[in-house]
Amino acid sequence: GAGVSQSPSNKVTEKGKDVELRCDPISGHTALYWYRQSLGQGLEFLIYFQGNSAPDKSGLPSDRFSAERTGGSVSTLTIQRTQQEDSAVYLCASSLGSGVAKNIQYFGAGTRLSVL
Amino acid sequence: AQTVTQSQPEMSVQEAETVTLSCTYDTSENNYYLFWYKQPPSRQMILVIRQEAYKQQNATENRFSVNFQKAAKSFSLKISDSQLGDTAMYFCAPSRVAAGNKLTFGGGTRVLVKP
Repeated sequence: GAGVSQSPSNKVTEKGKDVELRCDPISGHTALYWYRQSLGQGLEFLIYFQGNSAPDKSGLPSDRFSAERTGGSVSTLTIQRTQQEDSAVYLCASSLGSGVAKNIQYFGAGTRLSVL
Repeated sequence: AQTVTQSQPEMSVQEAETVTLSCTYDTSENNYYLFWYKQPPSRQMILVIRQEAYKQQNATENRFSVNFQKAAKSFSLKISDSQLGDTAMYFCAPSRVAAGNKLTFGGGTRVLVKP
């Protein structure tokens, strides 16, 4: 079946603007993760959704970052008032669930965000 | 919190040869998994191999195998019979079952397979 889909593939924005990044997980996957990959910080966890439970937002770097997941499927990561340090590749991953045998995460190709 | 160290920023290997990538991690958890992911220039992370921490037997997946030393918190990846398509960044990543299996990544090792 189809893999994890992310859009846009690349996004260039001006400092101070808001951006929305979209992730469409693999059908039937109940867990969804956002990670950020930057030159300075490497790969870091941002936020995690599991079914209808409250999301784990412990990795969000500031209150300018937020994410939602509608209908247990598509997720949108929003960055408000973008700063140059937000420039990075944003990766989304999904998995069947948090059960012991269902924890393999499948990744999308990411969105490269450039803040000018 | 978990920390992950990949001490080799870059490695090169001749086609058909073997290369071993090192990874050490620090965790207080008993229940966790360990993963190696590959990231080619296309940017998409691809699972290479998974190891369950409660299993002593080392995982193997075709030309890829691991040497898991739980007490030493070491999880190295061996690539045998290297192919040009193995050229990529490789990331070691433990996951915490108690924390939704979110991954903590090492800094990565760039592997270049030379013809």
